[in-house]
Amino acid sequence: GAVVSQHPSWVICKSGTSVKIECRSLDFQATTMFWYRQFPKQSLMLMATSNEGSKATYEQGVEKDKFLINHASLTLSTLTVTSAHPEDSSFYICSALRGRHNHGYTFGSGTRLTVV
Amino acid sequence: AQKITQTQPGMFVQEKEAVTLDCTYDTSDQSYGLFWYKQPSSGEMIFLIYQGSYDEQNATEGRYSLNFQKARKSANLVISASQLGDSAMYFCAMREGQLAGGTSYGKLTFGQGTILTVHP
Repeated sequence: GAVVSQHPSWVICKSGTSVKIECRSLDFQATTMFWYRQFPKQSLMLMATSNEGSKATYEQGVEKDKFLINHASLTLSTLTVTSAHPEDSSFYICSALRGRHNHGYTFGSGTRLTVV
Repeated sequence: AQKITQTQPGMFVQEKEAVTLDCTYDTSDQSYGLFWYKQPSSGEMIFLIYQGSYDEQNATEGRYSLNFQKARKSANLVISASQLGDSAMYFCAMREGQLAGGTSYGKLTFGQGTILTVHP
């Protein structure tokens, strides 16, 4: 079946540093990738949508300069949290859309980010 | 207004019993899709079941069935014969519109989630 590999699964970083999270579709080409953020016991909130070769579309209230998204190929999308602060600590999860299938979403396993 | 509403923050069920998790949605689109996902404590999102707005039959996948009531805009998940391994967070989600070109088509909106606990 379709697999999206997300790395790292967890990361601890110091305040002010940047962290890059990768999502790779292993056996299919992801036309679109979605990035979500989730606080403990809360819903998944969409941060941005990225399409291969074009700029990401950010949801209202998401700082595009802080959360840099790059979708350089059909199999790789990255989220970079720049100048991370403790309030950025959260669970980040990506989802890849496989072509035009009605329910062709595959999620990565998520990244737990802790900023100290 | 919330697009997806799950009104049950937590639900408890006895092992082997059936349980219904509620979900209501709000959209003006004629074409949309409704999803249920399970999220165990590990954080992964596990796809359970899908219902298209034009599907006339309720979706079923093994022990999962979706009670789709279009006029009431509800898409409740029914889990039959609950198992201890069903204990997790459950999310209802909606995709609005047709999958087409454009930068934001296909995004899912999630409900608040329901924590299901299955007791032995």
